Amino acid sequence: KAGVTQTPRYLIKTRGQQVTLSCSPISGHRSVSWYQQTPGQGLQFLFEYFSETQRNKGNFPGRFSGRQFSNSRSEMNVSTLELGDSALYLCASSSGLAGGFETQYFGPGTRLLVL
Amino acid sequence: AQSVTQLDSQVPVFEEAPVELRCNYSSSVSVYLFWYVQYPNQGLQLLLKYLSGSTLVESINGFEAEFNKSQTSFHLRKPSVHISDTAEYFCAVSEIEANNLFFGTGTRLTVIP
Repeated sequence: KAGVTQTPRYLIKTRGQQVTLSCSPISGHRSVSWYQQTPGQGLQFLFEYFSETQRNKGNFPGRFSGRQFSNSRSEMNVSTLELGDSALYLCASSSGLAGGFETQYFGPGTRLLVL
Repeated sequence: AQSVTQLDSQVPVFEEAPVELRCNYSSSVSVYLFWYVQYPNQGLQLLLKYLSGSTLVESINGFEAEFNKSQTSFHLRKPSVHISDTAEYFCAVSEIEANNLFFGTGTRLTVIP
């Protein structure tokens, strides 16, 4: 079974631009969660999508948004990039059963550098 | 609100020595507890998790963690570490009924030959 894939693996953008990251979950998984990992703030939960709907949301500004398609693939968009958005963005998939007890399987991440 | 504290950012330890990585959490609701490991240049992998039942949980590679409700802790231990255990370890909590993981800042374990 293929794992979680994220594209692209690396991105360089400039301040003010926008960026879209993609995540393909494990086949059969319906939940996709997004996390931001930075040296200063560590790993922070962005949001979770299940069946094309945002089900949980972290504490990030509205510049961070996402969506999920009918095939469970998910995209994350960051508009008006700031230097502080430079980070490793991880997505994780699980079957989506509500309960918080499921193992989340993480992708390798997309490393975003904002200049 | 949930928060997870990993007091030790770096832990160097000699090969075959025991190690304990500390994790404390605070939460206003019931949570599940996890340890994830991130090997160099790799993604996060689940090491072990506590959902309910026995407070001592074990992983297949010799790690164990004990849930202590009174101290709100979930420390990770291994009696004898190997070079291959060198990695960053993250403690996390998840609200029951929600798929949102709150992570600690991580502990970098370095095993010295």
